[in-house]
Amino acid sequence: SQKIEQNSEALNIQEGKTATLTCNYTNYSPAYLQWYRQDPGRGPVFLLLIRENEKEKRKERLKVTFDTTLKQSLFHITASQPADSATYLCALDRTGANNLFFGTGTRLTVIP
Amino acid sequence: DSGVTQTPKHLITATGQRVTLRCSPRSGDLSVYWYQQSLDQGLQFLIQYYNGEERAKGNILERFSAQQFPDLHSELNLSSLELGDSALYFCASSFGTSSNEQFFGPGTRLTVL
Repeated sequence: SQKIEQNSEALNIQEGKTATLTCNYTNYSPAYLQWYRQDPGRGPVFLLLIRENEKEKRKERLKVTFDTTLKQSLFHITASQPADSATYLCALDRTGANNLFFGTGTRLTVIP
Repeated sequence: DSGVTQTPKHLITATGQRVTLRCSPRSGDLSVYWYQQSLDQGLQFLIQYYNGEERAKGNILERFSAQQFPDLHSELNLSSLELGDSALYFCASSFGTSSNEQFFGPGTRLTVL
């Protein structure tokens, strides 16, 4: 069956360091992959989208890579700040489908 | 602020009851998506409407139904409620039919006692 796994439930990192979050998937052939940020009790907020023919995408301190051979996406936050503390969700579409499948998320805590 | 509004913010009800959750999409968006988020299940896609028509169905129970009205707002109806239906229910919207970049509302927290 189809599965999306995010590397760990929680990740603690020192302020200023680079946070790296992993999203692995099986039995999917996604056309694209998205990353969202979710704060407690609030709706997810879109961060980045990367297409299957793109290797890397950047936006300010954020970088996403997408390896369709490894079936993996890495999400990096450079120069992390306490304000980056949140849960980060990866989401895939299925080619031809009109909906997203979300991973369970990684809760990132940036320690001052 | 995503521009997506959801009402009510909180809802407390009893088992066996029926509730209606309401969502207004961002101005100009034609697609509305409904998701359920519980602690043990993560964010689960329920159903999508595009310009009034059902486009995709996910893990939506038969006790649940939805519709999108001509003004594009949507309602999610949950009936014969069970304790396990307690969750956060999110609505999201996007412009087109594909699931590119969705804008999520603040959610409705449903508690079934």
